[in-house]
Amino acid sequence: QVQLVQSGAEVKRPGASVKVSCKASGYTFTSAYAMHWVRQAPGQRLEWMGWINTGNGNTKFSQRFQGRVTFTRDTSANTAYMELSSLRSEDTAVYYCARYSGTYASFDYWGQGTLVTVSS
Amino acid sequence: QSALTQPASVSGSPGQSITISCTGTSSDVGSLNFVSWFQQYPGKAPKLIIYEVSKRPSGVSNRFSGSKSGNTASLTISGLQAEDEADYSCCSYAGTNTWWMFGGGTKLTVL
Repeated sequence: QVQLVQSGAEVKRPGASVKVSCKASGYTFTSAYAMHWVRQAPGQRLEWMGWINTGNGNTKFSQRFQGRVTFTRDTSANTAYMELSSLRSEDTAVYYCARYSGTYASFDYWGQGTLVTVSS
Repeated sequence: QSALTQPASVSGSPGQSITISCTGTSSDVGSLNFVSWFQQYPGKAPKLIIYEVSKRPSGVSNRFSGSKSGNTASLTISGLQAEDEADYSCCSYAGTNTWWMFGGGTKLTVL
């Protein structure tokens, strides 16, 4: 069965960077799927951050995060990564990876979420 | 960057039906049929329950249905059950500039 397992919670100082991992299993990681990243601040809406083509590594970003976020993947480890830099308190949120399926034209599997807390 | 508008909360009694609206623009909800709905329990990840406006993934109850009229998509839950109490968020593809947008989420309370 498809599973996306994310790394554990992080506490960071303002100005620091955080890297969240998302290990996929149960499907061919490099096939016709993309990995998207979505975050949810406390009590706020889901916010789309961007995605990575897990086959060729191409990436696209929300303009809100352009220049601050990096998506990478390690095909040998079936793992996608999201790195967010220059952290500020407003970046405190649960970060999710979500598999995009062309069959559904939507996000059919989600990781369990990773809480990132930015605090001095 | 605009966002999709949902009511903050809705409620209904067991057995009743409720409808949650999701209002966008002619650039997203109104022009494309890539509207999805997600169910989310507190502290849990979202779960896809409706895709492409009105289709249900395998395993999702047929009590959940979706529709769209103009710039507004809707999620209807019929025969409300206690287990339906959760947050529901809509999502729409918005083209290759904005890409994906989510609604603010609607908290469903089953009375």
